[in-house]
Amino acid sequence: NAGVMQNPRHLVRRRGQEARLRCSPMKGHSHVYWYRQLPEEGLKFMVYLQKENIIDESGMPKERFSAEFPKEGPSILRIQQVVRGDSAAYFCASSYRDEGEQFFGPGTRLTVL
Amino acid sequence: GESVGLHLPTLSVQEGDNSIINCAYSNSASDYFIWYKQESGKGPQFIIDIRSNMDKRQGQRVTVLLNKTVKHLSLQIAATQPGDSAVYFCAEIFTNDMRFGAGTRLTVKP
Repeated sequence: NAGVMQNPRHLVRRRGQEARLRCSPMKGHSHVYWYRQLPEEGLKFMVYLQKENIIDESGMPKERFSAEFPKEGPSILRIQQVVRGDSAAYFCASSYRDEGEQFFGPGTRLTVL
Repeated sequence: GESVGLHLPTLSVQEGDNSIINCAYSNSASDYFIWYKQESGKGPQFIIDIRSNMDKRQGQRVTVLLNKTVKHLSLQIAATQPGDSAVYFCAEIFTNDMRFGAGTRLTVKP
């Protein structure tokens, strides 16, 4: 049973470009969470999704950031018009139920030049 | 409040010694707590959890202590090994809300 998969592992973008980060949850998991980790800081919650629904996006910046978890396929975190301050590691986690243990993916390290 | 650009607290221990990592949580209504270990370049890994109706839970070489009076959580690692070197952070959960501490970097000296 494969764990949570994230790709790409490393992503380099220039300012103004778009970044798309993908997360495939563990088999059987329908809850996905996205977190951002800045250097030397803890994980910060961004958004919680179930299939086709955003449950809680209280940690998402109001502009340029969006997330989806379609009926088929991975969850996508999309960052439009990236800026240097978006450089961070982005982790996704999945769980079987809404209060279940979250299993983390390896993360995507985004670097904005 | 949020830490901005601050370095993680560090703990340096000798191989074979016991380690104690502390965490202060913020929500007195949090009823479930998890300790995670994050090695360089990897995602967080679950170590041990504890519910708020307990004050102590033991695993293999690890013990978590919960003091709800002062909203404090600690992780004790017995006979620390070089492979234990990582960042450790706690998470507090209240319903769907999961919040993480900033973490502590544990370095084990051979």
